[in-house]
Amino acid sequence: KAGVTQTPRYLIKTRGQQVTLSCSPISGHRSVSWYQQTPGQGLQFLFEYFSETQRNKGNFPGRFSGRQFSNSRSEMNVSTLELGDSALYLCASSFDAWGNSPLHFGNGTRLTVT
Amino acid sequence: GENVEQHPSTLSVQEGDSAVIKCTYSDSASNYFPWYKQELGKGPQLIIDIRSNVGEKKDQRIAVTLNKTAKHFSLHITETQPEDSAVYFCAASMGTDKLIFGTGTRLQVFP
Repeated sequence: KAGVTQTPRYLIKTRGQQVTLSCSPISGHRSVSWYQQTPGQGLQFLFEYFSETQRNKGNFPGRFSGRQFSNSRSEMNVSTLELGDSALYLCASSFDAWGNSPLHFGNGTRLTVT
Repeated sequence: GENVEQHPSTLSVQEGDSAVIKCTYSDSASNYFPWYKQELGKGPQLIIDIRSNVGEKKDQRIAVTLNKTAKHFSLHITETQPEDSAVYFCAASMGTDKLIFGTGTRLQVFP
């Protein structure tokens, strides 16, 4: 079974631009969660989608948004990029709403904002 | 508030020794506690998890213990090997809404 796939692996953007990250979950998994990982803040929860509905959202500004498609694939969008948005963005999928089944992470998209 | 504390932040051991990483959580309703291993350039990989109705779980050289009364849980790695070197994260469920991660422990195993 293929794992969680995130594209692209690396991105370099300029302050003020916007960016879209993509995540393909493990086949059969219906829940997708997004996390931001930085050296100073560790793994911070962004949001979780289950069956195309956002179930929960972390404490991030409205510039961070996401969506999930009917095939469970998910995208995350960050608008008006700031230098502080530079981070590794991780997507994780689980069979059910995560509280009932383990999370499986992709290798992330490393975003650099200059 | 929602919080998971993890200690130590770095840990160096000799190959063959044991390593122990400890975490405490704040939400008494937490009932799911996974551990993840993250190698350089990769995403975190689930290595073991435990639910609140179990006090201990083992998988070969890895074990996790849970003390619900004290709200802490630990990862034990025995007979460490150089390939165990990585960053380890604990996590705890917060209600049924989300998973909160500890700040990570960088484990180095020296040959």
